[in-house]
Amino acid sequence: GQQLNQSPQSMFIQEGEDVSMNCTSSSIFNTWLWYKQDPGEGPVLLIALYKAGELTSNGRLTAQFGITRKDSFLNISASIPSDVGIYFCAGQRVGSSNTGKLIFGQGTTLQVKP
Amino acid sequence: EAGVTQFPSHSVIEKGQTVTLRCDPISGHDNLYWYRRVMGKEIKFLLHFVKESKQDESGMPNNRFLAERTGGTYSTLKVQPAELEDSGVYFCASRLSWSTEAFFGQGTRLTVV
Repeated sequence: GQQLNQSPQSMFIQEGEDVSMNCTSSSIFNTWLWYKQDPGEGPVLLIALYKAGELTSNGRLTAQFGITRKDSFLNISASIPSDVGIYFCAGQRVGSSNTGKLIFGQGTTLQVKP
Repeated sequence: EAGVTQFPSHSVIEKGQTVTLRCDPISGHDNLYWYRRVMGKEIKFLLHFVKESKQDESGMPNNRFLAERTGGTYSTLKVQPAELEDSGVYFCASRLSWSTEAFFGQGTRLTVV
């Protein structure tokens, strides 16, 4: 069954606004990843997090690995129209990091109004 | 360098028919994964190859699904016979053994009618 709860399910924001989305799990993960999927494309890795408490930025994107290892958030600052897409969190559970098997959240669909 | 490529990009078949999806991973990537996203839900793991060997096929829904990776290069995922609930987007991903980053293909959208 589903092991990652991602919220919100969708967001419709004005260009320039900041965005925040998060994922929670009842299980401990040792790696958290954030992907973006553009229409007609596959997911592309945005940010990877490997340590509890880690805060990592990639341009206007910032993500954090929760201290409990059961959650992560992604922030997008000053959104622009090309930020539109589906954002997925994904985790690797303890013991599966050497297999690369990913568990995904349901996705957050982001729409940006110019 | 070419990315992960999947064929076809779309497939519409009738219930009971057979469909074969193909994935060409990035050259040199020993690890190959199949995932599936049913509409509106999470992307779910199906199986994992290391070279030509199935490392983990715990996510395969049932025995109507058969994955192969002969020679450790491209992989195929066959669904026979297809059922309505098999509809969704099937993603393939590949990864170098020493890296944590998996690269995804554009997906195959399968519609069973």
